[in-house]
Amino acid sequence: DAGITQSPRHKVTETGTPVTLRCHQTENHRYMYWYRQDPGHGLRLIHYSYGVKDTDKGEVSDGYSVSRSKTEDFLLTLESATSSQTSVYFCAISGQAGGYTFGSGTRLTVV
Amino acid sequence: GENVEQHPSTLSVQEGDSAVIKCTYSDSASNYFPWYKQELGKGPQLIIDIRSNVGEKKDQRIAVTLNKTAKHFSLHITETQPEDSAVYFCAASSEEYGNKLVFGAGTILRVKS
Repeated sequence: DAGITQSPRHKVTETGTPVTLRCHQTENHRYMYWYRQDPGHGLRLIHYSYGVKDTDKGEVSDGYSVSRSKTEDFLLTLESATSSQTSVYFCAISGQAGGYTFGSGTRLTVV
Repeated sequence: GENVEQHPSTLSVQEGDSAVIKCTYSDSASNYFPWYKQELGKGPQLIIDIRSNVGEKKDQRIAVTLNKTAKHFSLHITETQPEDSAVYFCAASSEEYGNKLVFGAGTILRVKS
C-alpha cells in the first residue's frame, strides 16, 4: 500500500519466544507507528517514531520494544510473546500533520 | 489524553439507503478528524478527513460533519452500495499530543442488496 510493506504477513509462535515484526517504507516519511487491532478496541497505539533513533511509547506499550536505525525501517519486538499479544499488528506512516497510510498488517498468533 | 467513542458498532442498511456513523471526542484541543475504511484482510484506508476550521466536507457520496462545540463528528454515506460494506473507523488527533491518531472502536457496515 503506497510504499509501505509489513513482514511477515502471518506468524504463529510459542509463548515465551521473541518475535520481531518489520515495517518498511519507501516514502521517506518522518513518522512511523505501530498499532494493534483487537475486536471491540479498534486500533491502539503501541509505539511510534518521529525520526531515526527517536521513539516513544503509546498507550499499550508494555511487553513491546521498537527500534528505528534507518528512516525506512521500523521494527517491533515482542521480547517474550504471551497469548495476550495475539492480535493483528499494523504499521502506519505519515508526513507532516495529516492522515496515515497503513500497511497490510501482520496476523500474529501466540500459542 | 484523547478518548474517541464511536456508534453504532454495527449498522445494516438496504442498498441505496443512507448510512450515518457518529463519533465523539474528549479533548477540545483535537483539530484533525479522519475516517478510515477497512476491508477484510486489508489495512485501513483514509477515505475522508476534516480539520477543525471546517464544518463539513464532501467527496461524492461521502461527507463528514464536525460540531466543535459538542465535540462530535459524523460520517454520512449516501446511496449505499454493496462495496461500501466494510469496517469504518473514526479518529482524532491534536498538535498538542504530537498528531498521534486516537481511533474509535469501529463500525461494521453491511449493505444488503
